[in-house]
Amino acid sequence: KQEVTQIPAALSVPEGENLVLNCSFTDSAIYNLQWFRQDPGKGLTSLLLIQSSQREQTSGRLNASLDKSSGRSTLYIAASQPGDSATYLCAVLNRDDKIIFGKGTRLHILP
Amino acid sequence: NAGVTQTPKFQVLKTGQSMTLQCAQDMNHEYMSWYRQDPGMGLRLIHYSVGAGITDQGEVPNGYNVSRSTTEDFPLRLLSAAPSQTSVYFCASRLNEKLFFGSGTQLSVL
Repeated sequence: KQEVTQIPAALSVPEGENLVLNCSFTDSAIYNLQWFRQDPGKGLTSLLLIQSSQREQTSGRLNASLDKSSGRSTLYIAASQPGDSATYLCAVLNRDDKIIFGKGTRLHILP
Repeated sequence: NAGVTQTPKFQVLKTGQSMTLQCAQDMNHEYMSWYRQDPGMGLRLIHYSVGAGITDQGEVPNGYNVSRSTTEDFPLRLLSAAPSQTSVYFCASRLNEKLFFGSGTQLSVL
């Protein structure tokens, strides 16, 4: 059974710093991995989607990497801003077409 | 495009009451799904549909019913609400491999 783990559960970082969020999964037979952002009281917004054949995707200050063989992904946020404060979730699309989510990392950027 | 629209945003029920959470999307996506989000549990799939007339169970389907009579709508029914169903419910549609979420329904069952 696929399990997706995100560590740490919460993170506080001073504004301007670069940071890395981690995601690991137990079954490497995935189609893709997706990173989402969730603001309090809101739904999830897709940030980046990495296909299983890709190593990384970039969007602005965000860079997501995927190492399928080791079951790991990272989300790198450059030059963090208070507006980046949110919960970040990763999710994998399994071969059985089910999407499995991690529990998220709550990120707080300190002004 | 409104995207994925969920109603209501908030609901309080008494144990044993029934209700329907509404979900509609205007993107003509075939795939739609319902998740619940609980503290410490993450998002868990309740039911999903790959097209009109087709539904299937997810990870936690007990206590919930769904139907999909049109591509646009995917309602979630609670037949007899229980306190264990207190949660935030999200509807999502999917195009290719990308998920699009509604803003959620916060449900409390007393």
